[in-house]
Amino acid sequence: GEDVEQSLFLSVREGDSSVINCTYTDSSSTYLYWYKQEPGAGLQLLTYIFSNMDMKQDQRLTVLLNKKDKHLSLRIADTQTGDSAIYFCAESMSGYNKLIFGAGTRLAVHP
Amino acid sequence: DTEVTQTPKHLVMGMTNKKSLKCEQHMGHRAMYWYKQKAKKPPELMFVYSYEKLSINESVPSRFSPECPNSSLLNLHLHALQPEDSALYLCASSQEPAGTGLYEQYFGPGTRLTVT
Repeated sequence: GEDVEQSLFLSVREGDSSVINCTYTDSSSTYLYWYKQEPGAGLQLLTYIFSNMDMKQDQRLTVLLNKKDKHLSLRIADTQTGDSAIYFCAESMSGYNKLIFGAGTRLAVHP
Repeated sequence: DTEVTQTPKHLVMGMTNKKSLKCEQHMGHRAMYWYKQKAKKPPELMFVYSYEKLSINESVPSRFSPECPNSSLLNLHLHALQPEDSALYLCASSQEPAGTGLYEQYFGPGTRLTVT
């Protein structure tokens, strides 16, 4: 079945690294995604990773994928106050024209 | 240009009103989506259009009626809504995955709908 789970809240100090975790259950997932949503706004695609990859880095963002444990993480280096938002992980499967979203993790960055 | 635009930004309507939400993209995407998002929840898929044809309807009540007049436009017609339909309505678009399974969806800012 389809299920994506995330922890609901993370608080970090400005300048530290943030790690947001996600687990999924469907082994036929082809791509996994990270979206960011700021208050009152739509979702912004941050990055995605193909299910056969272990890691993807894009500037301050590092995505790690452990396919055996069905665990996905997003690391934000040097976290800034502008990174405060809700972060959703999502999965897609070939042949199904839809994304399955996790519940979202609220990231709070404090001075 | 990776922008999806939505109008209006905010909408307040009574339960007997008829209104429409509009969405537009000029990225050449052939798949367009409507989502409903309640506060502190993830987006819930409502409809998917692929090449201007409805391909997915997630058992949405008939008081919501989608329309795709052309490849750049997506409408959501609203009629006889209930207060529990109040939510943020998000539009998204993507390339057709063509067998890759990659759904790189770009979202609009949403329409905040309040039903009184």
